[in-house]
Amino acid sequence: GAVVSQHPSWVICKSGTSVKIECRSLDFQATTMFWYRQFPKQSLMLMATSNEGSKATYEQGVEKDKFLINHASLTLSTLTVTSAHPEDSSFYICSARAPTGINQPQHFGDGTRLSIL
Amino acid sequence: SQKIEQNSEALNIQEGKTATLTCNYTNYSPAYLQWYRQDPGRGPVFLLLIRENEKEKRKERLKVTFDTTLKQSLFHITASQPADSATYLCALDANGGSQGNLIFGKGTKLSVKP
Repeated sequence: GAVVSQHPSWVICKSGTSVKIECRSLDFQATTMFWYRQFPKQSLMLMATSNEGSKATYEQGVEKDKFLINHASLTLSTLTVTSAHPEDSSFYICSARAPTGINQPQHFGDGTRLSIL
Repeated sequence: SQKIEQNSEALNIQEGKTATLTCNYTNYSPAYLQWYRQDPGRGPVFLLLIRENEKEKRKERLKVTFDTTLKQSLFHITASQPADSATYLCALDANGGSQGNLIFGKGTKLSVKP
């Protein structure tokens, strides 16, 4: 089955640090990847849609200068949380969709737990 | 805007019984609806997708129904096992299927007791 790898799985860093999270589709090419954030006992909230070779589309209320997304290849998208602060602490999850149609299921990585001190 | 409600935050059942989880949406009927399983500290895992023209879908012990009149999907796990304990998420397309973006419910945490 389709596998999505996310790295790192856990980050603890000081306030003001920038953190980069990688999302890779291991056995398929993903023209579209999605980045979600999940707070405890809350649903996954879509932050942005990442399209290979073009600018990401951000959801309302998500600062694009704060959360930098790069989708440089068909198997890799990165999310950089710039100048992270404690309120950015959350569980960040990426997903990828195989390019066989928009109605196909998304395949998720195992998430990155980000803790900002 | 479209909203999803998974009425039960938690559901506790005995091993061997059928678990039934509910997902309601409030606005337009989506082109499709999906169910995912999420274990603590892990990403969601896809289980089933049902399209608007399908009434029912089955996969092993899982069954999903889709009632566009009631704006509701039901997710059933028959002969439940302790290993089925997890949070189950309902998701549907956010923009009528035009972009493939999903919105998720808060999930129902299922606990199956031996």
